Amino acid sequence: GNSVTQMEGPVTLSEEAFLTINCTYTATGYPSLFWYVQYPGEGLQLLLKATKADDKGSNKGFEATYRKETTSFHLEKGSVQVSDSAVYFCALSGVTAGNKLTFGGGTRVLVKP
Amino acid sequence: GAVVSQHPSRVICKSGTSVKIECRSLDFQATTMFWYRQFPKQSLMLMATSNEGSKATYEQGVEKDKFLINHASLTLSTLTVTSAHPEDSSFYICSAPDRGMTEAFFGQGTRLTVV
Repeated sequence: GNSVTQMEGPVTLSEEAFLTINCTYTATGYPSLFWYVQYPGEGLQLLLKATKADDKGSNKGFEATYRKETTSFHLEKGSVQVSDSAVYFCALSGVTAGNKLTFGGGTRVLVKP
Repeated sequence: GAVVSQHPSRVICKSGTSVKIECRSLDFQATTMFWYRQFPKQSLMLMATSNEGSKATYEQGVEKDKFLINHASLTLSTLTVTSAHPEDSSFYICSAPDRGMTEAFFGQGTRLTVV
């Protein structure tokens, strides 16, 4: 079956530091890949997505590239802000992009001023 | 983007009572909705797929008699936790894909505490 593995947190950074959260997946066929963000006390928001190999998703300074050869979708941001403190989830959809999602364990990121 | 509204955002109930959680797609129709459960400091686990006008599809290990799902219209799905127990305390969150099934939109989630 499908599975997603992402690095465990928490990750604590200083403002303006570089952030990387690793995500690898196992899936049959060609899944769509997503990063969701969950701010404290809130639901999930789609941060970015990629639907085919070599696609790069980007939003709010965050980027992730769909690497089929390494089955990875690592999230990066060059300069984090305190407002980026949240839990980040890597996910995949094995059928169509809006279909049920398989999530990684989530990575809590704390950015200190 | 599309909006999914979930209500209530927080509920505390006594053991043995039932709690209903509503998930509404506000500006689009959703023939399918998904219900997830999130344990503290853990990831989201899919509980069931709610299908408008038909029975929900439950994931393995989820008790269908305990977690009743009704999808009575194209904009509303409800999850009822029956005879709740403290171990049912969790964060429940719904999502609905858009018509083209290209993106899933999530509700704000419901934190259930059973005392």
